[in-house]
Amino acid sequence: AQSVTQLDSQVPVFEEAPVELRCNYSSSVSVYLFWYVQYPNQGLQLLLKYLSGSTLVKGINGFEAEFNKSQTSFHLRKPSVHISDTAEYFCAVRAYFGNEKLTFGTGTRLTIIP
Amino acid sequence: DTGVSQNPRHKITKRGQNVTFRCDPISEHNRLYWYRQTLGQGPEFLTYFQNEAQLEKSRLLSDRFSAERPKGSFSTLEIQRTEQGDSAMYLCASSLGDIGHSYEQYFGPGTRLTVT
Repeated sequence: AQSVTQLDSQVPVFEEAPVELRCNYSSSVSVYLFWYVQYPNQGLQLLLKYLSGSTLVKGINGFEAEFNKSQTSFHLRKPSVHISDTAEYFCAVRAYFGNEKLTFGTGTRLTIIP
Repeated sequence: DTGVSQNPRHKITKRGQNVTFRCDPISEHNRLYWYRQTLGQGPEFLTYFQNEAQLEKSRLLSDRFSAERPKGSFSTLEIQRTEQGDSAMYLCASSLGDIGHSYEQYFGPGTRLTVT
């Protein structure tokens, strides 16, 4: 079984400042890792994913994340945030094989302060 | 590609009533997933289909819940004898499975259920 921990439930950040949203996971098998964003009253949209290869992955809207296997982490970063980045961000994992379900963290609400 | 659609977007029902939600996946996607999201939580897996076959069901899916995907196209999720604890956002997602190694699940806007 897999589990995901997002320790920060809310992160306020000033506009144009950098941000890091933390994600740690636990799994007895190898996993794929994902970050999804949920804007108010909308469905989930994929920001980026790590499948294999380079541990630094780039996604949409200027976001990137780094996979750290030894620390079982997949933190999301953006060098300069905008008002439009205000949303809920979810980290998720799924096993390489077998059940294709995504296991999500509890989410981090990113609030951008003008 | 019109995306994943879900109907209705909102449903208010009284405790004890039955409700049914519909999900239309992206047309070429053979996988379809149902998740439930309660306030302040991430989505939780309920069940998924490969074409018309239901491959796995979560323990969250009690006997009052049933999902179908006839002919491997749209899917329905029915909740019988609704309880207040069923109030949540019900999300549907679809994917190509592992074809092309994309592994991405595309989510619909969700159906928000309120049980009074």
